[in-house]
Amino acid sequence: DIQMTQSPSSLSASVGDRVTITCRASQGISNYLAWFQQRPGKAPKSLIYAASHLQSGVPSKFSGSGSGTDFTLTISSLQPEDFATYYCQQYYDHPLTFGGGTKVEI
Amino acid sequence: VQLLESGGGLVKPGGSLRLSCAASGFTFNTYSMTWVRQAPGKGLEWVSSISSSTDNYIYYADSVKGRFTISRDNAKNSLYLQMNSLRVEDTAVYYCVKDGSSGWYGAHWGQGTQVTVSS
Repeated sequence: DIQMTQSPSSLSASVGDRVTITCRASQGISNYLAWFQQRPGKAPKSLIYAASHLQSGVPSKFSGSGSGTDFTLTISSLQPEDFATYYCQQYYDHPLTFGGGTKVEI
Repeated sequence: VQLLESGGGLVKPGGSLRLSCAASGFTFNTYSMTWVRQAPGKGLEWVSSISSSTDNYIYYADSVKGRFTISRDNAKNSLYLQMNSLRVEDTAVYYCVKDGSSGWYGAHWGQGTQVTVSS
């Protein structure tokens, strides 16, 4: 199975900050990497697929990069609604696997 | 896109439940579908996926293999998860997920249904 490791597991930031979250795969997954946002008590929401493609309707302050084993999600200029938990997921192969999550707190 | 799960509830260990997901707003039979669960206070865990009607692929997490069965009824635009031999560790919110057009990633998620396994 492909293991997905996210770092950090949590971070504190302020409104207006730029934030970067890292996701590392235990083996190469090309660009088969997605990012999700989950606000407390809500279902996850798709942000990015294919490592860097923005899901329809997602604001451009979210961006993704990477290929192979190392990936990043960047949020420019954090807003109050961006404080949430973020997950990466590889879909290169089954079983599909998620990172452990990164909680972005104020 | 709308995904509406139902069928969750409280069940004793060893019991069974059948989750349903009513899909609308897209051409259901052209997309693969997935179930993902989230135990209380934990992260996301993939459970099972089923390919679109043009293929015939089904996948299960090892933790549910042999106990859970995923299926779909394209005529009813519905996805199902039959869960047998339920264990306490199956307690979670179960999400119905529509995969993307270019891969097994969750482009759209339902609101989830709670499954609690407890004596």
